[in-house]
Amino acid sequence: GQQVMQIPQYQHVQEGEDFTTYCNSSTTLSNIQWYKQRPGGHPVFLIQLVKSGEVKKQKRLTFQFGEAKKNSSLHITATQTTDVGTYFCAGFDLDSNYQLIWGAGTKLIIKP
Amino acid sequence: DAGVIQSPRHEVTEMGQEVTLRCKPISGHNSLFWYRQTMMRGLELLIYFNNNVPIDDSGMPEDRFSAKMPNASFSTLKIQPSEPRDSAVYFCASSRSGDPPSSGFFRHVGYTFGSGTRLTVV
Repeated sequence: GQQVMQIPQYQHVQEGEDFTTYCNSSTTLSNIQWYKQRPGGHPVFLIQLVKSGEVKKQKRLTFQFGEAKKNSSLHITATQTTDVGTYFCAGFDLDSNYQLIWGAGTKLIIKP
Repeated sequence: DAGVIQSPRHEVTEMGQEVTLRCKPISGHNSLFWYRQTMMRGLELLIYFNNNVPIDDSGMPEDRFSAKMPNASFSTLKIQPSEPRDSAVYFCASSRSGDPPSSGFFRHVGYTFGSGTRLTVV
């Protein structure tokens, strides 16, 4: 079935270091969305990428959508304690009109 | 906007009891989703409503689970009888969309999640 693989599962960084999470889909996606879930919280929509090769920035966060629309990445520059949480990618398969296919998430942990 | 409102926030119940989770979507959103989140299985879509009509309930684990959306501002997820393996966080999410299956508009809207109900069945 359709799958979105997300790696790594966890990433420990020192505050100030960069963080990257990657998503790969087994099928071509019509778009990809990114969500952040704080510990004990709920997923919060961050951004959506639609176009092949698209790059979007939100302050220290950079989101990319691959040329083939099968992979995506989120990069955080100079992490801060407020970045702690789990980052999920989720995409719409070309054949699915409504069901987001979710990655398993990458948990960002800031080392004290 | 108050966002998606779920109740209760926490529920502890004994095995065999009926549990009802409630959700009020954002006004104007016509799509509603029930998700379940566990460490082992991540986020699982249970059921999807569009314009109050259940479109896909293939994610509902078994007959013990049922969901209703009697109007645009309210939905319930019921588990009867509950079992310990039902313990999880249940999220309701809503979004705006065109009618399925052909509306591309649907694909271009992020979901707004409620704060979730943490269910513990002992």
